[in-house]
Amino acid sequence: AQSVTQPDIHITVSEGASLELRCNYSYGATPYLFWYVQSPGQGLQLLLKYFSGDTLVQGIKGFEAEFKRSQSSFNLRKPSVHWSDAAEYFCAVGAENAGNMLTFGGGTRLMVKP
Amino acid sequence: DTGVSQDPRHKITKRGQNVTFRCDPISEHNRLYWYRQTLGQGPEFLTYFQNEAQLEKSRLLSDRFSAERPKGSFSTLEIQRTEQGDSAMYLCASSLRGGRTDTQYFGPGTRLTVL
Repeated sequence: AQSVTQPDIHITVSEGASLELRCNYSYGATPYLFWYVQSPGQGLQLLLKYFSGDTLVQGIKGFEAEFKRSQSSFNLRKPSVHWSDAAEYFCAVGAENAGNMLTFGGGTRLMVKP
Repeated sequence: DTGVSQDPRHKITKRGQNVTFRCDPISEHNRLYWYRQTLGQGPEFLTYFQNEAQLEKSRLLSDRFSAERPKGSFSTLEIQRTEQGDSAMYLCASSLRGGRTDTQYFGPGTRLTVL
């Protein structure tokens, strides 16, 4: 069965600083991976996704993520954080043999200091 | 608004009551998913539909949970004899065909509180 681990429950960064959110997955086949963001009272918004090809994926709002098969990781990065990036971030892996259901990590809550 | 919509946004009920939630997917999306999210956790998959066919329901949490999508458009999720442990956010998502490259678009969720 697939699983996702996000080791950092909370992260605080200063506005303008760089950001890296960690994600490790376990999946028996070639994974397809997602990062979603959830702001209070709102649904999940897709930031980016990886299916195949280039292991560095660009997303919306200036985010990028790198797929590293050898490390089973799909870390999310942003070079300069804005106060509006404060939210909860979820990494997910898709299971093609189960209707493409998503298995999510526990999330990382990002706080941004002025 | 052409996104996924859910109704109601909030539901407070007493233990033992039945509740029903509605999800309207993005128009023309064939695939519809239900997830549950408890406080401090990531969403957990419950069930999904391809058009009106429910193709996976083994992950519904108990036989008190059921879902329908009678005409292949909107879907309902019903919880019978609610328990306090059912308190959570219930999320609906839809995708165009359900293929591995499809994006799942999520609605804002229905927050259930069982007293």
